Amino acid sequence: AQTVTQSQPEMSVQEAETVTLSCTYDTSESDYYLFWYKQPPSRQMILVIRQEAYKQQNATENRFSVNFQKAAKSFSLKISDSQLGDAAMYFCAYSGGSRLTFGEGTQLTVNP
Amino acid sequence: EAGVVQSPRYKIIEKKQPVAFWCNPISGHNTLYWYRQNLGQGPELLIRYENEEAVDDSQLPKDRFSAERLKGVDSTLKIQPAELGDSAVYLCASSWYRTLGETQYFGPGTRLLVL
Repeated sequence: AQTVTQSQPEMSVQEAETVTLSCTYDTSESDYYLFWYKQPPSRQMILVIRQEAYKQQNATENRFSVNFQKAAKSFSLKISDSQLGDAAMYFCAYSGGSRLTFGEGTQLTVNP
Repeated sequence: EAGVVQSPRYKIIEKKQPVAFWCNPISGHNTLYWYRQNLGQGPELLIRYENEEAVDDSQLPKDRFSAERLKGVDSTLKIQPAELGDSAVYLCASSWYRTLGETQYFGPGTRLLVL
């Protein structure tokens, strides 16, 4: 079974600074996607960014980018120029042959 | 475009009582998911529907949980009887289809507290 591990239960960052959230996963599948989802206090989960395993180029979405290291099975999220609205729980998720598997999340605090 | 709608947002019941959650997915989405999210954890899939067919219900505790998606649109998740350990947030999500890279759109969830 696939597993997703987020080793940082909590992280904090100063407004306008950069923060990196870590994620590792375990799989024997060759074709899969990885996602970062954001869950603000209102609880509605929102997709932040996605990465296809076959693509070597790291995905970027405005201030959000990933560092995808396939051999190391690592998928970190970098948030640049952090804003107060970035404060939320961030979940790393794996999508392979069966279902979407989430990590346990990292609570991000943005300090003004 | 309206998002995924869930009701109620909050529910408090006593153990052994029944409870039901309702979900209306994004219009046109064929795939509907129910997840359970325990406090401090990521969501875990309970059941996935492709149109009105339940295609992945291996994680659904069938002794007390049931779900239906009549006409392939709205869905209801039921627990009967509820236990203390069922306290969690129940999330509904939908997508066009279930593919590897498909984005799932989540509703706000129903927070259940069983006393």
